[in-house]
Amino acid sequence: DQQVKQNSPSLSVQEGRISILNCDYTNSMFDYFLWYKKYPAEGPTFLISISSIKDKNEDGRFTVFLNKSAKHLSLHIVPSQPGDSAVYFCAAAGLYNQGGKLIFGQGTELSVKP
Amino acid sequence: DAMVIQNPRYQVTQFGKPVTLSCSQTLNHNVMYWYQQKSSQAPKLLFHYYDKDFNNEADTPDNFQSRRPNTSFCFLDIRSPGLGDAAMYLCATSRKAGPRGDTQYFGPGTRLTVL
Repeated sequence: DQQVKQNSPSLSVQEGRISILNCDYTNSMFDYFLWYKKYPAEGPTFLISISSIKDKNEDGRFTVFLNKSAKHLSLHIVPSQPGDSAVYFCAAAGLYNQGGKLIFGQGTELSVKP
Repeated sequence: DAMVIQNPRYQVTQFGKPVTLSCSQTLNHNVMYWYQQKSSQAPKLLFHYYDKDFNNEADTPDNFQSRRPNTSFCFLDIRSPGLGDAAMYLCATSRKAGPRGDTQYFGPGTRLTVL
């Protein structure tokens, strides 16, 4: 049973436009959410996170929105740049998790075209 | 630069032949994790160490073992690799554990091929 789902395996966006990556979760015990970015031949790198006490967190061009009632979060990248082309994973953690266990989604491959 | 290093980057083994993957870190983090990621799937946690305390995930097969001889190094041993074990294996570290843990820093991964 997949508790964190990214239903779009890929997304293509024109440079300068907005990229919106979506993530859904099923476990209401999750209260902390993260986005990781992965380039080919590299490990995932932390991008941005949000606690369930917030509904928005912004860091430069990256904004994460959390809708707890819908169990949905999204990552907005504005403006998108070709260097943003990568696989994006969302991950969730919760109070019941020991050891900081993260549950990952399957990833969405973003392609930003010049 | 402080980092997480995985060796080798690519490993080919034969069906049933034991293989060991290694991970080292210069971050001096307390927690080290091993994930398995199969193609187009989410990374799946196999186990983690908080310092010397080993924590196995309930659904991690017995075929997978781990050792952490010191803070810097952690090994993943696959005793009898099967074709289904072909995957990318990711090592990660974090400064602390806890309900929400801490930001995890990943190595580049080792891609395992089983012939």
